[in-house]
Amino acid sequence: AQSVTQLDSQVPVFEEAPVELRCNYSSSVSVYLFWYVQYPNQGLQLLLKYLSGSTLVKGINGFEAEFNKSQTSFHLRKPSVHISDTAEYFCAVSDPSSNTGKLIFGQGTTLQVKP
Amino acid sequence: DVKVTQSSRYLVKRTGEKVFLECVQDMDHENMFWYRQDPGLGLRLIYFSYDVKMKEKGDIPEGYSVSREKKERFSLILESASTNQTSMYLCASSFQGRVTYSNQPQHFGDGTRLSIL
Repeated sequence: AQSVTQLDSQVPVFEEAPVELRCNYSSSVSVYLFWYVQYPNQGLQLLLKYLSGSTLVKGINGFEAEFNKSQTSFHLRKPSVHISDTAEYFCAVSDPSSNTGKLIFGQGTTLQVKP
Repeated sequence: DVKVTQSSRYLVKRTGEKVFLECVQDMDHENMFWYRQDPGLGLRLIYFSYDVKMKEKGDIPEGYSVSREKKERFSLILESASTNQTSMYLCASSFQGRVTYSNQPQHFGDGTRLSIL
């Protein structure tokens, strides 16, 4: 069965510093990959997705992620974070051979941006 | 923009009650999902539906059932609520796609925080 591992449960960082949130998945077949953000007391919003093509994917709010097939990773990065980026971030993977549209989510990483 | 609306943001119920959580989407999506979210456990899939009256169990279906009588509405039912079902419940929907089903992102509601006393 597929699984997604987010290697850090919490990432504290100062405002305007760069940040990387790590995500690894277990599948040996082609997959689709997603990053979602959850602000306090809200549902999840799509940040970006990798379906095919360029391995560097740009998303909303200045975030980007790089797909690395050999390392089965999909790390999320931002060169300079703001206080408003404080939120929980979820990595998710789907199986292109599945016909259900199901996603497998990681455990989440809480990004804490300090002034 | 896709709108997924969950009927309640906060809900308090008593042990043994039958609880209904409602979810409506306005984008004619075929797929709908119910998750529960607990600290440190991420999102866990309870049930999903890929068509009206069709449903499949997710990873943690015990103690829950679902109903999908209309395409836009997907209900989660706690048959006899227990304290271990206190959690945040999230509903999501997605377009099924014509060629491949799994490249469509899911769109989420704001969640229902359910407390069972």
